[in-house]
Amino acid sequence: DTGVSQNPRHKITKRGQNVTFRCDPISEHNRLYWYRQTLGQGPEFLTYFQNEAQLEKSRLLSDRFSAERPKGSFSTLEIQRTEQGDSAMYLCASSLSQGAVYNEQFFGPGTRLTVL
Amino acid sequence: EDQVTQSPEALRLQEGESSSLNCSYTVSGLRGLFWYRQDPGKGPEFLFTLYSAGEEKEKERLKATLTKKESFLHITAPKPEDSATYLCASWMDSSYKLIFGSGTRLLVRP
Repeated sequence: DTGVSQNPRHKITKRGQNVTFRCDPISEHNRLYWYRQTLGQGPEFLTYFQNEAQLEKSRLLSDRFSAERPKGSFSTLEIQRTEQGDSAMYLCASSLSQGAVYNEQFFGPGTRLTVL
Repeated sequence: EDQVTQSPEALRLQEGESSSLNCSYTVSGLRGLFWYRQDPGKGPEFLFTLYSAGEEKEKERLKATLTKKESFLHITAPKPEDSATYLCASWMDSSYKLIFGSGTRLLVRP
């Protein structure tokens, strides 16, 4: 299966620690997105990349959050000095740009973060 | 402010009892309306994209429709395996991000 993959699937950390998540998109997809989802809510947009360029960041993405996509393939999302409010499911999605017409985004299984 | 609202928050159906889920949007320059299914502990699974008012798409027991203000997901003769959270999301001008609603949790009882 060549769907979107995310690692780790679960992460438990103590407040104040740094964590890093990885996302591998569908191989031919050049756009990659990060979303965050809390219980009972829909996913909230964090940031997206086209190839290696980070083109948009949400106001939700505080300076403790950083995302990279160094070679336009996989991406990492790092959270520094974690807080209990960071506990959530972090979702990665990818899409294939076809001009400005289509934008079907395919999601990975997510990384569930618990901050103690 | 761009917003997507889904109703009802939760819906319980008997197997075979058809119903509809609503997604209303207030976004400027809608370019597409997406429907996803999400099972507990998993990522959203893509179902449909609708690009213009009047468009309809079908997949098995599901049918999605779009007007200028809202979208409906019609479920015909649902089965217990259709139980999930159904999310809609808007895609608007000038960005490739999706704006999601809070979802409708559907439970289909046998």
